This record gives sequence, C-alpha cells and structure tokens, in this order.
Amino acid sequence: DADVTQTPRNRITKTGKRIMLECSQTKGHDRMYWYRQDPGLGLRLIYYSFDVKDINKGEISDGYSVSRQAQAKFSLSLESAIPNQTALYFCATSDPRQGNDEQYFGPGTRLTVT
Amino acid sequence: KNEVEQSPQNLTAQEGEFITINCSYSVGISALHWLQQHPGGGIVSLFMLSSGKKKHGRLIATINIQEKHSSLHITASHPRDSAVYICAVSSNTGNQFYFGTGTSLTVIP
Repeated sequence: DADVTQTPRNRITKTGKRIMLECSQTKGHDRMYWYRQDPGLGLRLIYYSFDVKDINKGEISDGYSVSRQAQAKFSLSLESAIPNQTALYFCATSDPRQGNDEQYFGPGTRLTVT
Repeated sequence: KNEVEQSPQNLTAQEGEFITINCSYSVGISALHWLQQHPGGGIVSLFMLSSGKKKHGRLIATINIQEKHSSLHITASHPRDSAVYICAVSSNTGNQFYFGTGTSLTVIP
C-alpha cells in the first residue's frame, strides 16, 4: 500500500463549487504539505503543517483553506473553485527527525474547473 | 525571480548517451533534492544531498555549495529514464521548499 494517498485522483467541477481534496499518510510524519503544479511553473506551496496544531500559509494560499484533522490527514479545500485553479495537486510529507527532511509525495490529484 | 533554475528545460538523447542536468539556486539551503516525475504524474525522490556526491546505480548527483550549483548525471541512458527531473532545495530556515520548473528528458531507443 502507498504511504501517501490522495483522493480523488481526478476531479472535474464547475466554477463556484466547493471542493475538498484529501491526503492521508501512514508514514507517521508530522509535517505535511499541499502543492500545486502548473505547466512551466513547477511546484508551488499552498499550505503546510508541522503538526496538528500548526498550519501555515505557503506561497499561493489565496482561494484555498486546509484542515489537519489528525497527524495522518491533511485536507485542502477550494471554497469556490475558479478555472485558474485547474492544476495538478500534490500532497507531501516529511520528517526532519530523520535528519534530512526528505519529502514523500502522494500520487497527485488532477483537478479541472470548468 | 526563481530561487531555483534548471537547465536545459528539455533534453532528447539517444539510448546509451551520458546525460547532465544542471541546477542553480540563490537561497541558503540545508539540502538539495533531485526528484523524478514520470508521465503518470507521480513524484519520487532520487537524491537528497548537502555536500559532495551521491550515486545510485546509473544516477549520480553532485553539489557545489560554494557555487550554489548541482548536477544530475545519468550514465548509459535508457528509454525508461524518460521523465521530468526536478531540482528542489529546502531552505536553511527550515520552513520552505523551492522547486525548479523541471527538465523534461526523452531517451530515444
């Protein structure tokens, strides 16, 4: 079984709809991240969480919110989706106690907003 | 301004060729990461390094901290190496990752 899972894997939705993307991990890592990937722009950080009570905005948090329900779960919400939020979304985890802060990525969620 | 710059953006090679992808960065880092993204979209970590050189099979990663530069080398390239290779750095503030835009590699049989 994958260590970092994301649901759904693909989603098509309409402008104005509320969408939630979910991420779960079995690695026991405290740190979790949400990124979006757009062609030609690379990965950009939306939100990150260093533990259940710690939520931080990333580079492009406008239009998004997150919830860290437990150590293993980190959800990303689009309260009112717009077409320029069409992108590939990745969840990742890391554990700096390992001494290297290596990131482990989920398989990605392809979101299309029409 | 991008904190991490990669070159080339696209690369096509014949099977068996030696390949080099370059990465330069402008921030203070605690580590540099090389990631591989296959056409299906999944991202896997290839290397994490903070100094010197690491080798896994046909892949070699080097970093020069003074010059803020890293290279990823692939020896005896194979079509299955076709993927997007992404350079990323974790800042020495501990709170940020910066990603390059990736190098799309195609290895032709």
